[in-house]
Amino acid sequence: DVQMTQSPSSLSASVGDTVTITCRASQDISIYLAWHQQKPGRPPTLLIHTASTLQSGVPSRFSGSGSGTDFTLTISSLQPEDVASYFCQKYNGAPAFGQGTKVEIK
Amino acid sequence: QVQLMQSGAEVKKPGASVKVSCKASGYILSNYALHWVRQAPGQRLEWVGWISAGNGNTKYSDKFQGRVSLTRDTSAGTAYMELSSLTSEDAALYYCARDPSSTLLWYFDVWGQGTMVTVSS
Repeated sequence: DVQMTQSPSSLSASVGDTVTITCRASQDISIYLAWHQQKPGRPPTLLIHTASTLQSGVPSRFSGSGSGTDFTLTISSLQPEDVASYFCQKYNGAPAFGQGTKVEIK
Repeated sequence: QVQLMQSGAEVKKPGASVKVSCKASGYILSNYALHWVRQAPGQRLEWVGWISAGNGNTKYSDKFQGRVSLTRDTSAGTAYMELSSLTSEDAALYYCARDPSSTLLWYFDVWGQGTMVTVSS
């Protein structure tokens, strides 16, 4: 089975900072990677699919990159409403998830 | 507005079964595939299975094969997940989540609000 590993597990940054979260797959998954955001007490919402395609309605400060085994989610100019957990999901076949990254405001 | 509305929290005894519902609004259930995903406390999300809301085909994670059943009632616009032989390890928040396609893309563009299942004697 493909394992998904995210880093860091948590981070604290200031409003306006650029934040980067990485996700590594244990095998090549091409670009079959999605990123989801989960705010406290809320269900997840889709941010990005196909590694870099922004879901409709998602602010442009969110971006994704990567292919194969290494992927990145970037939040440029962090906003207070971005406080959430972020997790990656591979989907070439049965879905598998990263363990999540908790983003807080410093 | 596209939404998935799930049934309320459940408390079950070990060995019992639980059935969770997921009602689609703002779109036609049978036009998209539907997945079920769970999140146990402190654990990463875990895929349970998928149902084609159109023809009822299903595929389950090996971990749950034989214990889970996914069904749907297209006239009611509602999908169901039933999990049997519950143990404490099944205590989790269960989500239904829409696949963006009827032919399976395997990611999720709309999530239900989640149903908490507690297993306790």
